Formats: sequence, C-alpha cells, structure tokens
Amino acid sequence: AQSVSQHNHHVILSEAASLELGCNYSYGGTVNLFWYVQYPGQHLQLLLKYFSGDPLVKGIKGFEAEFIKSKFSFNLRKPSVQWSDTAEYFCAVNGYSSASKIIFGSGTRLSIRP
Amino acid sequence: EAGVTQSPTHLIKTRGQQATLRCSPISGHTSVYWYQQALGLGLQFLLWYDEGEERNRGNFPPRFSGRQFPNYSSELNVNALELEDSALYLCASSPGDLGGWQPQHFGDGTRLSIL
Repeated sequence: AQSVSQHNHHVILSEAASLELGCNYSYGGTVNLFWYVQYPGQHLQLLLKYFSGDPLVKGIKGFEAEFIKSKFSFNLRKPSVQWSDTAEYFCAVNGYSSASKIIFGSGTRLSIRP
Repeated sequence: EAGVTQSPTHLIKTRGQQATLRCSPISGHTSVYWYQQALGLGLQFLLWYDEGEERNRGNFPPRFSGRQFPNYSSELNVNALELEDSALYLCASSPGDLGGWQPQHFGDGTRLSIL
C-alpha cells in the first residue's frame, strides 16, 4: 500500500539557517512526488513537483527537492530560510495508475525565529 | 483566474445531524478531490470525482458521500455526524487526467465543528 512518512513533526530554525525536511514514501511503482505548503491562515499551495527527468527539482521561493529512487526519498531543501517560510509543509505521492490516489504525509511544521 | 472556492467557511453541527459542504473547482478543471485534515492526523484522502463519476474513495465509512454536478462543482455529505468528524475539509481540483499527473489546487477549506 502507498504511504508517505514525514519524520519531522516540528522543526525550529533561525533565519539564514539551512533547511532539510525529510520525506520517504512506499510504493511499488512509478510515482509523482509533490511538496505542498500551507502558510498560516492560507490554503495549501504547490511548492514543487517531480514527474520524471532530472531528480533535482527546483520550486518557488528558493526551495528544491531531490528524488532519490534507491532511498524512496524526496527531501525538501532550502539553503537559507527566512521568517516568511514559517508554515506547514506536506509531502505527497501519487502512483502512476488511473486508480491511484494521492497520499499526503502528516506534515512538518516549520517555525523560523527572526 | 478564480481559485477553488468552498462554502461555508465554518459549519457547526451537533452529533447525529447531517452536513453538506460545497466546492467549486477552478474553471476548466474536471477533477475534484475531498480531503479531511483532522488535528494531528494530517491530510487524509476522502473522495475523488472526475466527469461526474466517483473515481476513488479513501478509507472512510459510507456515511461520507458526495457527488459531482454537470458543472463540475461538488458536494460532500456527512451523515450521522460524530464528534471525531470535527476537522477541516479541503477540496482540491485539477484538470481531468485519470493518470493523476496534474497537481491539485486547493481551496481554503470548510471547518466543521461537531458539538
């Protein structure tokens, strides 16, 4: 069965620190991978996505993620965080199948100290 | 373009009642998805509609149901409400693609509170 694990429930960083949020998935086939972000008081927005090709994906606001197939991972990174990055981040996976449904991780709350 | 719109913003019900939540997708999108975001549980997939048909369903009891109308808007109905149904219900839409390649665009959600 598909599953997505985000092991960090709450991450607290200072501004300018580097960020890496872990995401591991379980699925026995080709997958699409996503990171969504939910800023305080706003709806979920797509941060970046991986479908195929270059495993290093660049998204909005300086975020990037690397798909490592051998590790079933799709970790989110940012070299230098800002206070405005305070939000909840969700990793999601969708198998390449017409019957597949998107599965979200439980989310990681990121708090940035100014 | 107008985003995904959901109504009402907040709905307060008591145990045993029925709730109806509504969602209007982005113009041109034919797929609508419903999710439940309960405290501490993250997002959980509820239902997926495309072209008026239910395409997939998450692990929720049958009292969670819905439908999609010819204009692609959708309703989520929850019967016999229980306290644990209190959650934020999110609707998302995407261009119709049964392969699931398209990322989903989310609305702001309906907060359902059960007293």
